[in-house]
Amino acid sequence: DVKVTQSSRYLVKRTGEKVFLECVQDMDHENMFWYRQDPGLGLRLIYFSYDVKMKEKGDIPEGYSVSREKKERFSLILESASTNQTSMYLCASSLGDRGNQPQHFGDGTRLSIL
Amino acid sequence: DQQVKQNSPSLSVQEGRISILNCDYTNSMFDYFLWYKKYPAEGPTFLISISSIKDKNEDGRFTVFLNKSAKHLSLHIVPSQPGDSAVYFCAALTFTGNQFYFGTGTSLTVIP
Repeated sequence: DVKVTQSSRYLVKRTGEKVFLECVQDMDHENMFWYRQDPGLGLRLIYFSYDVKMKEKGDIPEGYSVSREKKERFSLILESASTNQTSMYLCASSLGDRGNQPQHFGDGTRLSIL
Repeated sequence: DQQVKQNSPSLSVQEGRISILNCDYTNSMFDYFLWYKKYPAEGPTFLISISSIKDKNEDGRFTVFLNKSAKHLSLHIVPSQPGDSAVYFCAALTFTGNQFYFGTGTSLTVIP
């Protein structure tokens, strides 16, 4: 079974802090994704990566950056956290070619920015 | 602009009956569609998918129908069970891999 592990289930940070959300997958998947889930808006793609050191912007990349130094790990960085980044963050991974494989999700990190 | 829409935020169905969840999309370039199921405090789990070259895909109690001319897909669950109570998201992708879009979700409640 694929396991996608997000480092924290709940996180509380202050406005202006630099925040790191970590995600690790154990199935050697090439593709990794970061989403945020907000009520009434569904899942929105922030960034994704098809390979180590490779990244592409999703729908809402503003205020975020990512890092993929190793295949199994994909980090989401909030450079200077703001209250409108309070949300549920979901990491996912998938195998193979672009776009045609199901994504496997972690259990999410609920981030609150005060 | 929401390219994938689930217009029903919630649905209640009696156990044993059919549940029909609907999804509409606007981008005719989507190649692949998926349904995910999400329980509270868990990440979404993949349920079933369909390629744009097909109009139906079935897996046990779950069937997905695709109507490309109407840009509409639906998920049928027969018979519905209380354990099916969850939020269901549809998702649409292009094979170029640059577009991943999820709907806003439909919360299904199956009443015993």
